[in-house]
Amino acid sequence: EPEVTQTPSHQVTQMGQEVILRCVPISNHLYFYWYRQILGQKVEFLVSFYNNEISEKSEIFDDQFSVERPDGSNFTLKIRSTKLEDSAMYFCAIPLLGGRTDTQYFGPGTRLTVL
Amino acid sequence: LAKTTQPISMDSYEGQEVNITCSHNNIATNDYITWYQQFPSQGPRFIIQGYKTKVTNEVASLFIPADRKSSTLSLPRVSLSDTAVYYCLVGDSWGKLQFGAGTQVVVTP
Repeated sequence: EPEVTQTPSHQVTQMGQEVILRCVPISNHLYFYWYRQILGQKVEFLVSFYNNEISEKSEIFDDQFSVERPDGSNFTLKIRSTKLEDSAMYFCAIPLLGGRTDTQYFGPGTRLTVL
Repeated sequence: LAKTTQPISMDSYEGQEVNITCSHNNIATNDYITWYQQFPSQGPRFIIQGYKTKVTNEVASLFIPADRKSSTLSLPRVSLSDTAVYYCLVGDSWGKLQFGAGTQVVVTP
């Protein structure tokens, strides 16, 4: 099973500040996904990233959000100016080895708290 | 993407078999049926995937009737650690997973 680490595990920030959430898979992957889950709500798709380009994004993924693969391994999600409603768990995911892209391994998540 | 309907919650005792049925009346020809499990404060975990008939792995079994309009996830002999939310997803996606509310399974001694 592939392994993915996410940092930080918990991020507290002030409204309006920029945050960068990081995802590091144990091996190279072409596909990456970001999801979020507001406390008590369902898991929501944010964006899919294939071969260094965004392949699909949701309505949630507005201009405040961006994704990058800055060094070929790390995969980052940036929120430029955080809002209170951005408080959530953010998960990155990659396809399971040998599986379809809809069979995904989720990282442990970053809990973002916006004050 | 086909919409899915599953029970909000299910209770069970340790050692029993738990069967969660998911309805997906509008499933398309290319759609697969995938189940995930989620514990509190953790990301979803892939359990099993199938297209038709029956699929079994070390964790669960997935039963899919011929019309594929529903599916049943079967968890054999559950333990307390199987208490979690279980999600049924249907699609032919390129990876975009769309989760519903899922089924909260509570296992008690």
